[in-house]
Amino acid sequence: AQSVTQPDIHITVSEGASLELRCNYSYGATPYLFWYVQSPGQGLQLLLKYFSGDTLVQGIKGLEAEFKRSQSSFNLRKPSVHWSDAAEYFCAVAGTGANNLFFGTGTRLTVIP
Amino acid sequence: DGGITQSPKYLFRKEGQNVTLSCEQNLNHDAMYWYRQDPGQGLRLIYYSQIVNDFQKGDIAEGYSVSREKKESFPLTVTSAQKNPTAFYLCASSSRTGGNSPLHFGNGTRLTVT
Repeated sequence: AQSVTQPDIHITVSEGASLELRCNYSYGATPYLFWYVQSPGQGLQLLLKYFSGDTLVQGIKGLEAEFKRSQSSFNLRKPSVHWSDAAEYFCAVAGTGANNLFFGTGTRLTVIP
Repeated sequence: DGGITQSPKYLFRKEGQNVTLSCEQNLNHDAMYWYRQDPGQGLRLIYYSQIVNDFQKGDIAEGYSVSREKKESFPLTVTSAQKNPTAFYLCASSSRTGGNSPLHFGNGTRLTVT
């Protein structure tokens, strides 16, 4: 069965510091992987996606994620965090089926001055 | 600009009443979805529709109903049979079904039932 684990419920970083949000997935074949961001009271916005090819993918807002098959991970990174990055981040995994998109429980990012 | 419009943003109802949440998209997407979001539980799929006049149950369909009479509209009715309806509801669409078609989300409707 597919599943997504985001082990960190809440992370606090200082503005300007680097960021890494962890995502581990369980899926039998090569998955489609996504990162979404949600601001309070809003919908989700797609940050980046991995389908195949280069395992390091670039997204919007200066974010990147690396697919590591051996570790079943798809961690999100940013070299320098800005206060506007504070939000909740969701990792998702999909297979080929119509409703086959599974979301993690999210990681809430707080940025302190 | 194309997008997904959910209305209303906030909705209050008394227990025992049915309530319908609106979702409209002008992205010309074939597939539409309803998710429920509760704190600490991520998103859970309620219903999805691949084409007009067709829809399928998701993981937590009990107590909910949908219709898809038009391509651009996918309303969700929360019935009195839903045991714990208070939640944040998100509508999404994608250009086609399949795991490699990213979802586009509306801004959600927060439903409070007392």
